[in-house]
Amino acid sequence: NAGVTQTPKFQVLKTGQSMTLQCAQDMNHEYMSWYRQDPGMGLRLIHYSVGAGITDQGEVPNGYNVSRSTTEDFPLRLLSAAPSQTSVYFCASSTLFHTGPDYYEQYFGPGTRLTVT
Amino acid sequence: GQQVMQIPQYQHVQEGEDFTTYCNSSTTLSNIQWYKQRPGGHPVFLIQLVKSGEVKKQKRLTFQFGEAKKNSSLHITATQTTDVGTYFCRFGNEKLTFGTGTRLTIIP
Repeated sequence: NAGVTQTPKFQVLKTGQSMTLQCAQDMNHEYMSWYRQDPGMGLRLIHYSVGAGITDQGEVPNGYNVSRSTTEDFPLRLLSAAPSQTSVYFCASSTLFHTGPDYYEQYFGPGTRLTVT
Repeated sequence: GQQVMQIPQYQHVQEGEDFTTYCNSSTTLSNIQWYKQRPGGHPVFLIQLVKSGEVKKQKRLTFQFGEAKKNSSLHITATQTTDVGTYFCRFGNEKLTFGTGTRLTIIP
């Protein structure tokens, strides 16, 4: 198993540009999520999904879109990049079952380091 | 809303000294998880605590869940250079909120 994969590893954008961060997992996990990590701020949840076709907002969703057309993939779209979106982005997944994702280990991808100039 | 404070934000210790980080919640938690992130890496799951007063050990690491399930601690005995990193707590509900983390650095 490759686990959780993210592409690209590094990206530089200019203000106003759009792009998609890719995330894929091969563990058949129902739950997938996106976090951003900024110095001193910990990990903040952007969007999450509990299954194909179902997404919801996290703590900091503004400026980002997601979709979940398959179990495996959960791309994050930046609509119009801003310098405030400079951060490290992590995708994570876990199994779900009936007790909810909070009872299961979160598997993280290696991250994408994004700089917006 | 639910708030989780993680303290301290930073901790510098001499190699061989002990280290403790704490997570404190304003509400009762269903469970709590701990993660470690090495510098430049991604968070990796360490352990989950579910029961009131639960204590779990992993070699030099001791994890504790408070009796009221509102606080938790991670204690490392006799730190080694391999312990360097940021330690996060993560508490339950669908939005899986993480604490702000404690960054541990070790002076050899």
